[in-house]
Amino acid sequence: QSVLTQPPSASGTPGQRVTISCSGSSSNIGSNTVIWYQQLPGTAPKLLIYSNNQRPSGVPDRFSGSTSGTSASLAISGLQSEDEADYSCAAWDDSLNGWVFGGGTKLTVL
Amino acid sequence: QLQLQESGPGLVKPSETLSLTCTVSAGSISSSTYYWGWIRQPPGKGLEWIGSIYYSGSTYYNPSLKSRVTISVDTSKNQFSLKLSSVTAADTAVYYCARTSVDPDYYYYMDVWGKGTTVTVSS
Repeated sequence: QSVLTQPPSASGTPGQRVTISCSGSSSNIGSNTVIWYQQLPGTAPKLLIYSNNQRPSGVPDRFSGSTSGTSASLAISGLQSEDEADYSCAAWDDSLNGWVFGGGTKLTVL
Repeated sequence: QLQLQESGPGLVKPSETLSLTCTVSAGSISSSTYYWGWIRQPPGKGLEWIGSIYYSGSTYYNPSLKSRVTISVDTSKNQFSLKLSSVTAADTAVYYCARTSVDPDYYYYMDVWGKGTTVTVSS
């Protein structure tokens, strides 16, 4: 069981806006910033969002992150077929003194 | 552009020790700005952090793996390594190495990842 909770799947049609949630606790999301990764099939995770809502250079502004209390969300607007991938959230946990991840959400573009 | 490359045996026998090395290229592992870490992903499952190391040698380990894990750094070779002892089939996974950076507010994030290496534990 992952420390951070994500829905196992999500879906949307091209052009649609979808959101993926990530639920944690006061020791992780509630007190540290959230990171989001995109993982295409058979590849390594790619940094998508860091510090809750910051995009590395090269990441389209269609991707955005937000937090509220002990939860975080990743929003993808103008959904494209190439967005079909697994998305995982992560945060530092002060109680475990280590990184914790969500179980990942498989996004399907219908 | 910084690159990380994992290397090591793809097959390890149960009860033996898994050993992997991550080679850092186009960048120095001795930079005071970064940490270096290992993460794994069992087949069909989520990511699991194993541990991290600073160039000085200070380490942080996942409490659930701490008794079996050793991470070390060799600055002369620009490499850091993972040893996981007493492995079982549950340790079968893709193992990634990654760099951890820090933002202006001193929050950390893993930004550069290696491509990963598959390790199977089987006799």
